[in-house]
Amino acid sequence: QQKVQQSPESLTVSEGAMASLNCTFSDRSSDNFRWYRQHSGKGLEVLVSIFSDGEKEEGSFTAHLNRASLHVFLHIREPQPSDSALYLCAVSPSNMGYKLTFGTGTSLLVDP
Amino acid sequence: DAGVTQTPRHEVAEKGQTIILKCEPVSGHNDLFWYRQTKIQGLELLSYFRSKSLMEDGGAFKDRFKAEMLNSSFSTLKIQPTEPKDSAVYLCASSLDGRDTEVFFGKGTRLTVV
Repeated sequence: QQKVQQSPESLTVSEGAMASLNCTFSDRSSDNFRWYRQHSGKGLEVLVSIFSDGEKEEGSFTAHLNRASLHVFLHIREPQPSDSALYLCAVSPSNMGYKLTFGTGTSLLVDP
Repeated sequence: DAGVTQTPRHEVAEKGQTIILKCEPVSGHNDLFWYRQTKIQGLELLSYFRSKSLMEDGGAFKDRFKAEMLNSSFSTLKIQPTEPKDSAVYLCASSLDGRDTEVFFGKGTRLTVV
């Protein structure tokens, strides 16, 4: 059974400083990796989806996937206070995008 | 596009009550999901519908949780009877076909059982 863990549990960075979030998964055959953001009291907003090893950039968000090491990272370039939120990593098998297994999230606080 | 709409946004129930949560998926989407979100467990899949047919019904949630999809644009999640441990945020989500397309989430219903 797929296990997804995120670290750190919480992270505080200064406005403009790079934020790096880590997600580890247990099933190397996984093919779909997504990062979501959830502001307090809101739904999940997809930030970036990545399906092959390497990097994928969407605006100020870059996902980096390394399946051999079972890691997928999210880097946030020049974060703003409005980026303060819960960040969730989700993993699913190929052709079964609906079978999302989520981590418990990293709570990011961006200090102005 | 209205996105995924969930009602109510907040619900307070007494232990033993029956509550019904509602969801309208994105128009045209064929797949609909119900998740429960808690700080300790994170997001857990409760139910998954494809073209109104129930495809998965989370094993741990079967006894008191029942999701239905009466038509392609409306789904309900009934919890009967409620228990304090059911206090959580319930999220509804939809996607076009559930394979590799994006999954869109509603804002959730925060349920408190006292």
